[in-house]
Amino acid sequence: ELKVEQNPLFLSMQEGKNYTIYCNYSTTSDRLYWYRQDPGKSLESLFVLLSNGAVKQEGRLMASLDTKARLSTLHITAAVHDLSATYFCAVGKGDKIIFGKGTRLHILP
Amino acid sequence: NAGVTQTPKFQVLKTGQSMTLQCAQDMNHEYMSWYRQDPGMGLRLIHYSVGAGITDQGEVPNGYNVSRSTTEDFPLRLLSAAPSQTSVYFCASSYSGTGEAFFGQGTRLTVV
Repeated sequence: ELKVEQNPLFLSMQEGKNYTIYCNYSTTSDRLYWYRQDPGKSLESLFVLLSNGAVKQEGRLMASLDTKARLSTLHITAAVHDLSATYFCAVGKGDKIIFGKGTRLHILP
Repeated sequence: NAGVTQTPKFQVLKTGQSMTLQCAQDMNHEYMSWYRQDPGMGLRLIHYSVGAGITDQGEVPNGYNVSRSTTEDFPLRLLSAAPSQTSVYFCASSYSGTGEAFFGQGTRLTVV
């Protein structure tokens, strides 16, 4: 059974700092996703990672995938308040896509 | 394009009532899915479909039925609502199971 674990589950950080969110999963997979959710809103796709070593960047966010370690990271560079949100990773196995519990990110001005 | 449209946005049910949550997409996506979101639990997969006429169970299917008679629509039926089904329900679609998913705005369901 596929399990997806994110850590930390809650992160409070200062503007301007760097930090990394980790996503571990329990079985082999062929794809990994990162989503953002603002309070009371729907989910927005950030990245789709389809191969080992894949790295994608958008603004201050960079995601990477290590399929051998079953690990993905979402790195935040020089955080700004607008990045405050909940970030979810999701892992695809066959036709199922399983989500982690999310990392609630709070960036202090 | 409207994308993924869910109705209703809010609903209150009494225990034992039945209802259908509607989900429609206009992107000609083959893959559609239903999730429920509860505090501290992330999103849990209820049912999914890889195309018209094909559905399968996710992580938490009990108490829910789905059907996929057309590519566009993927309704979720609650057979006999229970307070444990109080949640926010999201429908999502993607071109295939490997692509990025587009989510609806969610249905907030309360069962009393």
